[in-house]
Amino acid sequence: AQSVTQPDIHITVSEGASLELRCNYSYGATPYLFWYVQSPGQGLQLLLKYFSGDTLVQGIKGFEAEFKRSQSSFNLRKPSVHWSDAAEYFCAVGGYSSASKIIFGSGTRLSIRP
Amino acid sequence: SQTIHQWPATLVQPVGSPLSLECTVEGTSNPNLYWYRQAAGRGLQLLFYSVGIGQISSEVPQNLSASRPQDRQFILSSKKLLLSDSGFYLCAWSVRGGTVSENIQYFGAGTRLSVL
Repeated sequence: AQSVTQPDIHITVSEGASLELRCNYSYGATPYLFWYVQSPGQGLQLLLKYFSGDTLVQGIKGFEAEFKRSQSSFNLRKPSVHWSDAAEYFCAVGGYSSASKIIFGSGTRLSIRP
Repeated sequence: SQTIHQWPATLVQPVGSPLSLECTVEGTSNPNLYWYRQAAGRGLQLLFYSVGIGQISSEVPQNLSASRPQDRQFILSSKKLLLSDSGFYLCAWSVRGGTVSENIQYFGAGTRLSVL
């Protein structure tokens, strides 16, 4: 079965500290992986995506993610968080066809400690 | 550039009343369109998706329906709202038949629905 697991419901980090949000997926074919961010009361904004090539992908706002096929993981990282990074983060997996559905994880809420 | 609009942004409706949420996309043709619901503190649940006018696929049995009367218009409806229909509704679009790098969903700003 296709699924995405984000094991951390809520994470709090201090401003300036590093961040890693975990994501594990189960997908029967070659996965196409995403991270989205959602500010309170807003839609989802794409942070980054991976579909092939270099397993370390760079995104907007200083975020990066690393695809590890052996661990079925696609963890999101940022070396130094800012207060404006406080939001909900969603990992998602889809297929290569434009008709493929995208399956979302349940999200991780990030709070920033001043 | 492509944009996606959802309205209204916020809606408060009594139980048993009808519902109509609208989503339109500009700057692209023949998009795939999606309706998601996000319950408080939960992830996204795909409700409906459409690959063309009049072509609607339902993901979960529920009190809601969707229609696509025009290529870039997607409407979410209900004849009688239930309390459990409360939530945050998101519309999204993606390129139909595009390359793998185009297989991305772009989201609207959402509609907050409260059923009282």
